[in-house]
Amino acid sequence: EAQVTQNPRYLITVTGKKLTVTCSQNMNHEYMSWYRQDPGLGLRQIYYSMNVEVTDKGDVPEGYKVSRKEKRNFPLILESPSPNQTSLYFCASSLSGTGWGEKLFFGSGTQLSVL
Amino acid sequence: DQQVKQNSPSLSVQEGRISILNCDYTNSMFDYFLWYKKYPAEGPTFLISISSIKDKNEDGRFTVFLNKSAKHLSLHIVPSQPGDSAVYFCAGGYSGAGSYQLTFGKGTKLSVIP
Repeated sequence: EAQVTQNPRYLITVTGKKLTVTCSQNMNHEYMSWYRQDPGLGLRQIYYSMNVEVTDKGDVPEGYKVSRKEKRNFPLILESPSPNQTSLYFCASSLSGTGWGEKLFFGSGTQLSVL
Repeated sequence: DQQVKQNSPSLSVQEGRISILNCDYTNSMFDYFLWYKKYPAEGPTFLISISSIKDKNEDGRFTVFLNKSAKHLSLHIVPSQPGDSAVYFCAGGYSGAGSYQLTFGKGTKLSVIP
């Protein structure tokens, strides 16, 4: 089944404790992206990647890191999480990221709480 | 600067009636628009899209209308069903610098009452 898989689904952590949220897709997509969803703010892009070893900042990259060492994986790293990073996170992928009207496929989300 | 605006946070509609979800945008660079639907505890899923060169696109019960001069688009669901109850996100996209970027609105929560 074609899908984007995120882990974990739920995560509670404390301020300053490094964490990684994993994302994997099995559709051989070149484009991958991370979003966060906050009440009243909708979906905002954190980082995106056009291909292996190519990443770029989205609208709200501060406090996050990403890496794209393999085509299928795109982990989101919070080196020193803070309470304002408490949010619902979504990973997404699409075929190439350059196709007009290309659809994004989303994972099921990771609810992160930073205490 | 909010480039995509969904000014109604929520909407309630009776089953069988029409649901109209609205979206306004400010970025003239957008050359296509998409609607995504999101159920609780799931990721958003693609619903329907429209090119900026068209003014209407239809897919079953779902129709999206685009008014470029007003920078406004709307999603019509006819007839509405209880299973349509979800949060709907409008997104504008454009191709620039070798990649396309989507900007999402804040979402509208649709409740279809049986």
